[in-house]
Amino acid sequence: DGGITQSPKYLFRKEGQNVTLSCEQNLNHDAMYWYRQDPGQGLRLIYYSQIVNDFQKGDIAEGYSVSREKKESFPLTVTSAQKNPTAFYLCASSVGAAWTYEQYFGPGTRLTVT
Amino acid sequence: AQKVTQAQTEISVVEKEDVTLDCVYETRDTTYYLFWYKQPPSGELVFLIRRNSFDEQNEISGRYSWNFQKSTSSFNFTITASQVVDSAVYFCALTGTYNTDKLIFGTGTRLQVFP
Repeated sequence: DGGITQSPKYLFRKEGQNVTLSCEQNLNHDAMYWYRQDPGQGLRLIYYSQIVNDFQKGDIAEGYSVSREKKESFPLTVTSAQKNPTAFYLCASSVGAAWTYEQYFGPGTRLTVT
Repeated sequence: AQKVTQAQTEISVVEKEDVTLDCVYETRDTTYYLFWYKQPPSGELVFLIRRNSFDEQNEISGRYSWNFQKSTSSFNFTITASQVVDSAVYFCALTGTYNTDKLIFGTGTRLQVFP
């Protein structure tokens, strides 16, 4: 089955700890994305990568970091510098790098920081 | 600036009713793309449709239909004979064709279909 996997589904961390969210796709898509979703809000772009070994900041990149060492993997690290890390995080991918391609989403990771 | 407005925060209907979800957009681009996504309670967004600005024909897919009107900058989504499984949050999204144009999401409309 082709798709995007995110793990874990639920994640709990103490304030001050860094945490890494996994995102893997076997769709052979070039581009990958990380979004954050807060209750009652739309999706906000954190980082995106249009090609391996390259990535760009989105609208809310502060306190987050990513890497794209392999085409199929795009992990997101939520650092202790992120002031309000509790949220639902969604990873997506698209076949091409242009924003006009439809994006396919993973099941998401719900992060709770206390 | 690009913007997507989904003014309906939440809609409740009874099964078999028809329901229309509104989407109004703003863009400076002459060529742009509009999308609809469904987010069921499981959380994963599911792609429903993509429409470019040059194609104003309405689209129908089973019980789903989309009405694109450039004159009113709207791309509304209608579900005919709604079912409980249609309960979800629906997002409208917009992008242009400039490399700096990202995908802009509306705030979503939560649809609850009661049996």
